[in-house]
Amino acid sequence: NAGVTQTPKFQVLKTGQSMTLQCAQDMNHEYMSWYRQDPGMGLRLIHYSVGAGITDQGEVPNGYNVSRSTTEDFPLRLLSAAPSQTSVYFCASSTAGRTEAFFGQGTRLTVV
Amino acid sequence: AQTVTQSQPEMSVQEAETVTLSCTYDTSESDYYLFWYKQPPSRQMILVIRQEAYKQQNATENRFSVNFQKAAKSFSLKISDSQLGDAAMYFCAYRSTGTASKLTFGTGTRLQVTL
Repeated sequence: NAGVTQTPKFQVLKTGQSMTLQCAQDMNHEYMSWYRQDPGMGLRLIHYSVGAGITDQGEVPNGYNVSRSTTEDFPLRLLSAAPSQTSVYFCASSTAGRTEAFFGQGTRLTVV
Repeated sequence: AQTVTQSQPEMSVQEAETVTLSCTYDTSESDYYLFWYKQPPSRQMILVIRQEAYKQQNATENRFSVNFQKAAKSFSLKISDSQLGDAAMYFCAYRSTGTASKLTFGTGTRLQVTL
């Protein structure tokens, strides 16, 4: 019962570096999303996907890229990290058959 | 666009007492879902309770219940018999019926539970 798995759990990047946050789910959910959590701002939607090959932008997409080549995986790419991207990132998955979303454990990213 | 407002950044409750966390939202839709999520220090997002807008009956899950006022666009969470393990951040969230992948969150309420 892995659910939604995010890696890594912690990461420190230098400004300008690139990296990929990994997200995998084993529940065969068609919907997947990325959120960022900042103090005093709750969780905000970055990108989401309604199925393999289909992605769209959320509320705060700038500086992030996503792709969805399989149902299971939904990686989030930071092409050139900036200090403003210091945050906690959550991946979530859901299905049309149920109302709630299932979240990964989160990744705490610090950009210095 | 929908918005969710939690006007209480912090709340405190004594163990075994009852506390109510407030949430209001703005939407032009008639059918949607509302959620309360709990985030303990472990950072994990845990679903506490959900409410379908078409249901008039307020949802209840053990010590957790909601007061859903659709006309007022209000969705408060009541925690009865508070326990030390209830200490956490609580987020109210909204989801349209047609957008299973998109949640709109409030800014959260940090709940302290004291002895």
